[in-house]
Amino acid sequence: AQSVTQPDIHITVSEGASLELRCNYSYGATPYLFWYVQSPGQGLQLLLKYFSGDTLVQGIKGFEAEFKRSQSSFNLRKPSVHWSDAAEYFCAVGARQAGTALIFGKGTTLSVSS
Amino acid sequence: GAVVSQHPSWVICKSGTSVKIECRSLDFQATTMFWYRQFPKQSLMLMATSNEGSKATYEQGVEKDKFLINHASLTLSTLTVTSAHPEDSSFYICSAREDRGGSGANVLTFGAGSRLTVL
Repeated sequence: AQSVTQPDIHITVSEGASLELRCNYSYGATPYLFWYVQSPGQGLQLLLKYFSGDTLVQGIKGFEAEFKRSQSSFNLRKPSVHWSDAAEYFCAVGARQAGTALIFGKGTTLSVSS
Repeated sequence: GAVVSQHPSWVICKSGTSVKIECRSLDFQATTMFWYRQFPKQSLMLMATSNEGSKATYEQGVEKDKFLINHASLTLSTLTVTSAHPEDSSFYICSAREDRGGSGANVLTFGAGSRLTVL
């Protein structure tokens, strides 16, 4: 079955500290992988995506993620968190076939403490 | 970049009435659009795949007669919640895939969402 697991429901990080949000996936074929961020009451903003090639991908707002095929993981990282990063983060997986929907994890709520 | 617009962003309606939510791709054509539903503090659940010029494909458990989807043009898909009830209150998000090839072929752009409250 295709699924995305985000083990951490809620994470609190001090401002300036590093961040890692975990994502594991189960997918029958080689997937496309995505991280989205959602602020309260808002839609989704794409942070970064992995299609192929370099397994370390850079995204917007200083985020990066590393695809590890052997671990079926696509963890999101940021070296120094800012208060404005507080939001809901969703990992998603999709097929390489165009026209297919994304499957989302349950999300991780990030709180940033001062 | 690609922009998807949803309207209305907020809607409150009485129980038993119908509500239409529009999803427009503003600067690209989208043969395929997707409708998701998000409950508070929950993830996005795919409701249906909307295909221009043909019937939508609904996910298991989604009532097609309750959630009518019409994809009449390459830039517009609508979701109509018929005879709405309080349990239909939710955040509805649409997404669209730009019609182009290449490695970016399956990149979805999401709308800002529409919050429906049924009294």
